[in-house]
Amino acid sequence: AQKVTQAQTEISVVEKEDVTLDCVYETRDTTYYLFWYKQPPSGELVFLIRRNSFDEQNEISGRYSWNFQKSTSSFNFTITASQVVDSAVYFCALIPDVPYRGSTLGRLYFGRGTQLTVWP
Amino acid sequence: NAGVTQTPKFRVLKTGQSMTLLCAQDMNHEYMYWYRQDPGMGLRLIHYSVGEGTTAKGEVPDGYNVSRLKKQNFLLGLESAAPSQTSVYFCASSTPVTGGYYGYTFGSGTRLTVV
Repeated sequence: AQKVTQAQTEISVVEKEDVTLDCVYETRDTTYYLFWYKQPPSGELVFLIRRNSFDEQNEISGRYSWNFQKSTSSFNFTITASQVVDSAVYFCALIPDVPYRGSTLGRLYFGRGTQLTVWP
Repeated sequence: NAGVTQTPKFRVLKTGQSMTLLCAQDMNHEYMYWYRQDPGMGLRLIHYSVGEGTTAKGEVPDGYNVSRLKKQNFLLGLESAAPSQTSVYFCASSTPVTGGYYGYTFGSGTRLTVV
């Protein structure tokens, strides 16, 4: 079964604080893809990052960084020096890559999202 | 600009009315999906299509029907709208690309309210 868990429903921080959003996933597949999306108050889904299961290197992009650990099935997202514009709902998601009986090709399995509020 | 276009962006329906949501993509993607987003639930798959003329049920298909008569279009129908179908609907398309990744694109969403 495929499952993505974002245990943090809501997080509030004050501007300039660092914040980490947790994501734990479950899959039987050896090849899969993990994603983070941002949904600002305007409602659209903004793609942030994609990581495949064979690439465990951490990634940093400006104030954003991602820590992928297969040993703990986690793909955590850290925002350094948070800003008010970071306020949004953040979704972690999974695509299992290997089609198997009953699977849905390319379907994204989403976590329930974490609402991040950054106060000035 | 290339991408996924959803029509309409907003709609208010009365209980029992019917409507069709249109999704159009111009990227020649094989796969198309309809998701619904409800507060605290993330996005859940309603129906999907792996090619022209084929559709299948996702996680929450009850009360919806779909059709994919043309590769670029994926229609989501509500035959008799219910308040429980008040939600934000997202269409997406994807295709396998070199390296095994599914290139994935979302539409901007349709906010539907059923009163």
